Amino acid sequence: DAGVTQSPTHLIKTRGQQVTLRCSPKSGHDTVSWYQQALGQGPQFIFQYYEEEERQRGNFPDRFSGHQFPNYSSELNVNALLLGDSALYLCASSLEGSGRYNEQFFGPGTRLTVL
Amino acid sequence: AQKVTQAQTEISVVEKEDVTLDCVYETRDTTYYLFWYKQPPSGELVFLIRRNSFDEQNEISGRYSWNFQKSTSSFNFTITASQVVDSAVYFCALTFLTQGGSEKLVFGKGTKLTVNP
Repeated sequence: DAGVTQSPTHLIKTRGQQVTLRCSPKSGHDTVSWYQQALGQGPQFIFQYYEEEERQRGNFPDRFSGHQFPNYSSELNVNALLLGDSALYLCASSLEGSGRYNEQFFGPGTRLTVL
Repeated sequence: AQKVTQAQTEISVVEKEDVTLDCVYETRDTTYYLFWYKQPPSGELVFLIRRNSFDEQNEISGRYSWNFQKSTSSFNFTITASQVVDSAVYFCALTFLTQGGSEKLVFGKGTKLTVNP
């Protein structure tokens, strides 16, 4: 049973460029959340996708956008990269349910460096 | 607003010492969940424990124990007889149901634990 996978593992970009990060959820999961973890900080919620729609969004600018595909995999896109976007980007997947907590499983992350 | 505070930025202990990592949270929700995660240098978050707001029983798992006190909004984590392999960054987190029906995790800034041989 494959867990959450993310690609690429590492990425180096320059300011102003655009980047796409990918996430495949754990088998059977249908919900994907993205988090940004700056160096020395805790992860911060970016947004969550369910049924191919963005359901909740954290305090991130519109330069951060995403997509969820019919197979539940997801992409995170960041436009006009800034130095401050350098971080570990974590993807977490869960199975939607009603009236109960849906445990999130985290992937290994993508380390983005913006020069 | 929901918030998690981990006041200890870094802790250094000698192997076999006991160490407690503090976590204080803020929330207006009556139903919420608290977590501890371990993040080794590899970066992946490793789930350690989840507690819901209605269960204040303390829990012990091997050398790990957790003390949940709603009266002080704290969820502290103790490692007994620490080992070098316990060296990592530990995060306390809080989750709650949002208006959209989803849950997002709110993390503290983490405590870096170094266990020296």
